[in-house]
Amino acid sequence: DVKVTQSSRYLVKRTGEKVFLECVQDMDHENMFWYRQDPGLGLRLIYFSYDVKMKEKGDIPEGYSVSREKKERFSLILESASTNQTSMYLCASSSGSPGTLSYEQYFGPGTRLTVT
Amino acid sequence: GQSLEQPSEVTAVEGAIVQINCTYQTSGFYGLSWYQQHDGGAPTFLSYNALDGLEETGRFSSFLSRSDSYGYLLLQELQMKDSASYFCAPDYNTDKLIFGTGTRLQVFP
Repeated sequence: DVKVTQSSRYLVKRTGEKVFLECVQDMDHENMFWYRQDPGLGLRLIYFSYDVKMKEKGDIPEGYSVSREKKERFSLILESASTNQTSMYLCASSSGSPGTLSYEQYFGPGTRLTVT
Repeated sequence: GQSLEQPSEVTAVEGAIVQINCTYQTSGFYGLSWYQQHDGGAPTFLSYNALDGLEETGRFSSFLSRSDSYGYLLLQELQMKDSASYFCAPDYNTDKLIFGTGTRLQVFP
């Protein structure tokens, strides 16, 4: 079974803090993704990566950065947390490429981040 | 971004059949995925259609019509545990999935 783990289920941080959200997958997947999920807005893609040290902006990258130093690990960084970044953050991984069934994404359990 | 439409909420009773429709933008389209998410849980993959037609997996089926930019998820013999949000997610030549706001399905006894 593919397993995607995230470092915390719940996290509370203060405005202005630097926040690291970690994601690890154990299936040697090439592709990794970070989403945030908010009521009424669905899942929105923040950043994704197709290889080590590669990153691509998603639909809402502002206020975030990412790091992928190893294939299995993809980190999301909030440089200076703000209250509008309070959300559920979901990491996902997949193999293959768009247009193929292997592009199926496996999600981690999510991190509910509250910024006060 | 790409436009994506699906109903926000659907209700049905146990044992019934329900269809959740999805329309998407055509340009650069590759295929359509469906995901299920229970409250408090992570999205899980249900199906993928790259070609026109119906794909059946147990009680769930997914249909795609590329010419109509339309697909649907069909859930048969509904059970209480099927109460969840369902997302259609097209993938495009932009190398990413697009998730919409999802359809919340409530199954009543």
